[in-house]
Amino acid sequence: DVKVTQSSRYLVKRTGEKVFLECVQDMDHENMFWYRQDPGLGLRLIYFSYDVKMKEKGDIPEGYSVSREKKERFSLILESASTNQTSMYLCASSLWEGADTDTQYFGPGTRLTVL
Amino acid sequence: AQSVTQLDSQVPVFEEAPVELRCNYSSSVSVYLFWYVQYPNQGLQLLLKYLSGSTLVKGINGFEAEFNKSQTSFHLRKPSVHISDTAEYFCAVSDSGNTPLVFGKGTRLSVIA
Repeated sequence: DVKVTQSSRYLVKRTGEKVFLECVQDMDHENMFWYRQDPGLGLRLIYFSYDVKMKEKGDIPEGYSVSREKKERFSLILESASTNQTSMYLCASSLWEGADTDTQYFGPGTRLTVL
Repeated sequence: AQSVTQLDSQVPVFEEAPVELRCNYSSSVSVYLFWYVQYPNQGLQLLLKYLSGSTLVKGINGFEAEFNKSQTSFHLRKPSVHISDTAEYFCAVSDSGNTPLVFGKGTRLSVIA
């Protein structure tokens, strides 16, 4: 089974802090994604990556950056956390090609609160 | 760009009754379609997917969905729901070209005893 893990289930930070959210997958997937989930808005794509050291902006990249130094790890960085970044953050991964293309596998999520 | 509309934000239904959760997507030449379920305080879990072939797709937990190209719909159905089906359900679509999924805003299914 594909396993996607996220470093924290719950996180509380203060305004202005630099925040790192880590995601690791163990199925050698090429693609990795970061979403935020807010009530009534569904999932919104922040950034994604098709390969090591590659990144693409999603729909709401402002205030975020990412890092992918190794294939299995994709980090989301909030350079200076703000209260409007309080949200549930979900990481996902998928294969680049094959019968399972585009099927995304999700981690359990990190609920971030910025005070 | 693709878009997905889930027509109902909340669906209450009595236990053992049938349910249909509606999903429409914007038109494209070919698409991949997905339904995911999210139980409280958990990540998303794949229920079923349509990539090609038969338009009726069966998934886990007794759910099924029908791909209707002419109506650009992919509605999710279950003939008899359980209390344990209470969750949020997300429809998603991709352009079948290794593009990120586009998600709907979700439908909260509440099963009442």
